[in-house]
Amino acid sequence: SQWGEENLQALSIQEGEDVTMNCSYKTYTTVVHWYRQDSGRGPALIILIRSNEREKRSGRLRATLDTSSQSSSLSITAAQCEDTAVYFCATDASGGNNKLTFGQGTVLSVIP
Amino acid sequence: AQTIHQWPVAEIKAVGSPLSLGCTIKGKSSPNLYWYWQATGGTLQQLFYSITVGQVESVVQLNLSASRPKDDQFILSTEKLLLSHSGFYLCAWSLYGAGSDYTFGSGTRLLVI
Repeated sequence: SQWGEENLQALSIQEGEDVTMNCSYKTYTTVVHWYRQDSGRGPALIILIRSNEREKRSGRLRATLDTSSQSSSLSITAAQCEDTAVYFCATDASGGNNKLTFGQGTVLSVIP
Repeated sequence: AQTIHQWPVAEIKAVGSPLSLGCTIKGKSSPNLYWYWQATGGTLQQLFYSITVGQVESVVQLNLSASRPKDDQFILSTEKLLLSHSGFYLCAWSLYGAGSDYTFGSGTRLLVI
């Protein structure tokens, strides 16, 4: 799982497998963002899940949010090679409406 | 459609030299604007944000400054670069702050030598 100042974590899976990435945060948050970043590009939002939502889906992606354990997860079903990217969670847990804090990220490699 | 453009795409600069990076957002009135920095292999660290022209708030002090001279423009600068300034600089905008999605530019790659 990701958070804090640790370096990027790495996951390597075979094409067609399912994968789950975890994210924990330290204080109350109203929203968790999940972004993917392709090499050399800026991050792109893939799912935004709010504190009143337990689950949100977008195609093969599924995000969950458990406010009691202060954690979120992003799952990819039947991963494809094009899912290879770095995935970040981000929250407003650091306080302030304009302070979005990113976790340390997960490098996902999907191998054909 | 909204577009976000960052310039330059990449820079190689000497330690002690000045720096100016720019970001322009088109198609969106009065967006909230942000600067982030990313070390190679690292996460994104927020540097500044601005919710209106002429007002910029600092989040992390890294010997950098930011300005918002126009509604659609955000500038990141320093008079003296340090080796530690190397990295990937990203500009982003959102409508309502951290409760809404952020749209990032393509970034500027900076190498300080």
